[in-house]
Amino acid sequence: NAGVMQNPRHLVRRRGQEARLRCSPMKGHSHVYWYRQLPEEGLKFMVYLQKENIIDESGMPKERFSAEFPKEGPSILRIQQVVRGDSAAYFCASSGDLVDTQYFGPGTRLTVL
Amino acid sequence: AQTVTQSQPEMSVQEAETVTLSCTYDTSESNYYLFWYKQPPSRQMILVIRQEAYKQQNATENRFSVNFQKAAKSFSLKISDSQLGDTAMYFCAFLNRRPSGAGSYQLTFGKGTKLSVIP
Repeated sequence: NAGVMQNPRHLVRRRGQEARLRCSPMKGHSHVYWYRQLPEEGLKFMVYLQKENIIDESGMPKERFSAEFPKEGPSILRIQQVVRGDSAAYFCASSGDLVDTQYFGPGTRLTVL
Repeated sequence: AQTVTQSQPEMSVQEAETVTLSCTYDTSESNYYLFWYKQPPSRQMILVIRQEAYKQQNATENRFSVNFQKAAKSFSLKISDSQLGDTAMYFCAFLNRRPSGAGSYQLTFGKGTKLSVIP
């Protein structure tokens, strides 16, 4: 199955710890997007990356959050010093070079205790 | 900035019947796509159907079809012959095709409609 892969599916962290979320795009896709879904809400855009480049991070909180998509390996969304308000589902999506349709992974559910 | 509005928080439909979910959007862009995504209890986001703004013909995928009214900025989803597996949250989404810079290629989602299919 060459779908979008995300791991871990569930992540529990205590306040102040770091959370690392991984995303492997669909085979042949080089565009990756991260979204956050708070309970009972739709998804909100965070960041758009291509290999080794951040294209648009207009939805990313200015502090504690960072994202990368290295030449080799998965895209990483990193949240430092997590707080309870970071508890949410984080979805990764990917698209091909036409960037006309985004396909989503299963999401990572982050719980901050 | 784009906005997407889904005015029906919850809906229900009898199995085998037809249901229509509403979506309106606001944009000043001319080149864009519209989507319906489904999120079942598993929480996976599944693409249901896609519409290109420059195409007048309404998109259809099996039991799913859309009514795209560009001038009215309306994009409704019709589900025919509803099945129990259609029970899910349905999100309408807008994709701006601006080629670069902030706002490029990001999906803007509505708040969703929770659809329940009743046996």
